[in-house]
Amino acid sequence: DAKTTQPTSMDCAEGRAANLPCNHSTISGNEYVYWYRQIHSQGPQYIIHGLKNNETNEMASLIITEDRKSSTLILPHATLRDTAVYYCIVRPPRNDYKLSFGAGTTVTVRA
Amino acid sequence: DTGVSQNPRHKITKRGQNVTFRCDPISEHNRLYWYRQTLGQGPEFLTYFQNEAQLEKSRLLSDRFSAERPKGSFSTLEIQRTEQGDSAMYLCASSLGLAGVDNEQFFGPGTRLTVL
Repeated sequence: DAKTTQPTSMDCAEGRAANLPCNHSTISGNEYVYWYRQIHSQGPQYIIHGLKNNETNEMASLIITEDRKSSTLILPHATLRDTAVYYCIVRPPRNDYKLSFGAGTTVTVRA
Repeated sequence: DTGVSQNPRHKITKRGQNVTFRCDPISEHNRLYWYRQTLGQGPEFLTYFQNEAQLEKSRLLSDRFSAERPKGSFSTLEIQRTEQGDSAMYLCASSLGLAGVDNEQFFGPGTRLTVL
């Protein structure tokens, strides 16, 4: 599985956009980029995924660079409830494939 | 609540004892996964079921660990002769098994095991 690199932690002001970077320079052409988050004492929660094009849903936007070696998860208006560990995962195009989590980025949203 | 449920939420046991955890997936999901998470780390894959068939096991799943999904619905994870290194959060996830569709994994709240 392609390895991902994320910053260990970052702070964000409530109401502002949070931009979470992820490097995946060894990603293969058919591998997807997934984002999950884990709020304290809960199981991970799916946020968004993409292959080549930018994606947006009700939770976040995913921007993937043209060479696909990095991506950015954008939380448009961070709230205190967005404080969590955010995981960037590269995954083959098999819908039964296990998720390989790294250590993630601990995001703290401050009032 | 129709999400993934896990029981118990917390388990404290003495070294050498056996423990069993239960996972109830979302009812229409035929895929079920077990992960383990230690403090400060992301979850690590343990094993995966498609209906009642156990299709993949991680090398992390030593012979003291056994998982079952007898009727393709709920699953149990048993750890025999627990060791202090088994202390962790054990997470269960489930997903639909539709061919050709990228199926999101839904996670339960986990069972936190402490081995004294």
